[in-house]
Amino acid sequence: QQPVQSPQAVILREGEDAVINCSSSKALYSVHWYRQKHGEAPVFLMILLKGGEQKGHEKISASFNEKKQQSSLYLTASQLSYSGTYFCGTEMGNAGNMLTFGGGTRLMVKP
Amino acid sequence: DTGVSQNPRHKITKRGQNVTFRCDPISEHNRLYWYRQTLGQGPEFLTYFQNEAQLEKSRLLSDRFSAERPKGSFSTLEIQRTEQGDSAMYLCASSLMSSYNEQFFGPGTRLTVL
Repeated sequence: QQPVQSPQAVILREGEDAVINCSSSKALYSVHWYRQKHGEAPVFLMILLKGGEQKGHEKISASFNEKKQQSSLYLTASQLSYSGTYFCGTEMGNAGNMLTFGGGTRLMVKP
Repeated sequence: DTGVSQNPRHKITKRGQNVTFRCDPISEHNRLYWYRQTLGQGPEFLTYFQNEAQLEKSRLLSDRFSAERPKGSFSTLEIQRTEQGDSAMYLCASSLMSSYNEQFFGPGTRLTVL
């Protein structure tokens, strides 16, 4: 079942912060975050495993609440280059399975 | 090594024709995934391989779609008797099987069925 992302879209001024949320109705093994710019492939940002391990981009942080099966991506001091569509991909069972992606959050950062 | 590559980048075909796409994963990656993405939506899983073995195929995938990964290296995705609804971006991703399973995507093949 597809995870639900919120908000669907957000507009920021450069330097502002944003939080993007991803919720699943199923028990998850991991949550993966990607950013996609128009016409390009999704770019890996971060992965969070149940149990608290995570790995990813130095300037981006995220959390994973296993109890609620929710993940949040925190974008602080946004830059123009942060603009794009952010997708969460959820992985169930164990490592190595396919990802089920949410509908995306469109982020626009203005000068 | 520059990452996952896909060919062709764009394909325009007429309804009813067959098309084949190729994906070359990152060289040491043993898992390879195919996804499809339509405008404004997130990628949708199609199938995936571990080495040469196809481990899972989406229930939504028509039998007109077939994929293979001979010798566990590159993979091909074939669509037979294309329909207009097949128009989409076809994305390939690869990963090195581990606890993290980070999937790295290729640039995709954009298919337009006329």
